[in-house]
Amino acid sequence: DIVMTQSPDSLAVSLGERATINCKSSQSVLYSSNNKNYLAWYQQKPGQPPKLLIYWASTRESGVPDRFSGSGSGTDFTLTISSLQAEDVAVYYCQQYYSTPSTYTFGQGTKLEIK
Amino acid sequence: EVQLVQSGAEVKKPGESLKISCKGSGYSFTSYWIGWVRQMPGKGLEWMGIIYPGDSDTRYSPSFQGQVTISADKSISTAYLQWSSLKASDTAMYYCARLERELPSDYWGQGTLVTVSS
Repeated sequence: DIVMTQSPDSLAVSLGERATINCKSSQSVLYSSNNKNYLAWYQQKPGQPPKLLIYWASTRESGVPDRFSGSGSGTDFTLTISSLQAEDVAVYYCQQYYSTPSTYTFGQGTKLEIK
Repeated sequence: EVQLVQSGAEVKKPGESLKISCKGSGYSFTSYWIGWVRQMPGKGLEWMGIIYPGDSDTRYSPSFQGQVTISADKSISTAYLQWSSLKASDTAMYYCARLERELPSDYWGQGTLVTVSS
């Protein structure tokens, strides 16, 4: 299985400041035939299901605010929130969907709080 | 509007069987995969397996193979996750999610809390 490792495990950022979460995969999730990274980011607020924020490593899902951005390629990826808002408090997960669908894997999650 | 509506919370005893459901609406149920995800109390997300309701092609994560059964009834646009003999360690929130091949899950059910306790 592809192992996804996020850092840090938790993060406290002041309102209006930048938040950065990292995700590293144990093998590349870049598919050479289409040059796409099979990497997604989800946001999960307490008591809610996960919400898809970004796919193909950097494509925002419809309706997601543009303060959320994704970057990276191969094995190293980053989710950036450019100006933290109170409603962004949540746990964030990366997920690879490169492997066979039965073995898609998530990172362990990063808890984002307000400083 | 795409919706995945899951069955309600369950409280069961160890050794009992259980089948929870996920009903899709607002889209062609047979054209998308349905995946199941476990979230143990205070923990992260674990991918359990998927089913393609169009032909019932079912695949399991190695960690869950033999532990659960995933099925679907396309006539009523419903996917299922079932256990034949529950353990206390099955206590968790279970989510279903829609996905297309080579894309991540874009719609999720609200979750079904399963509590297994003697």
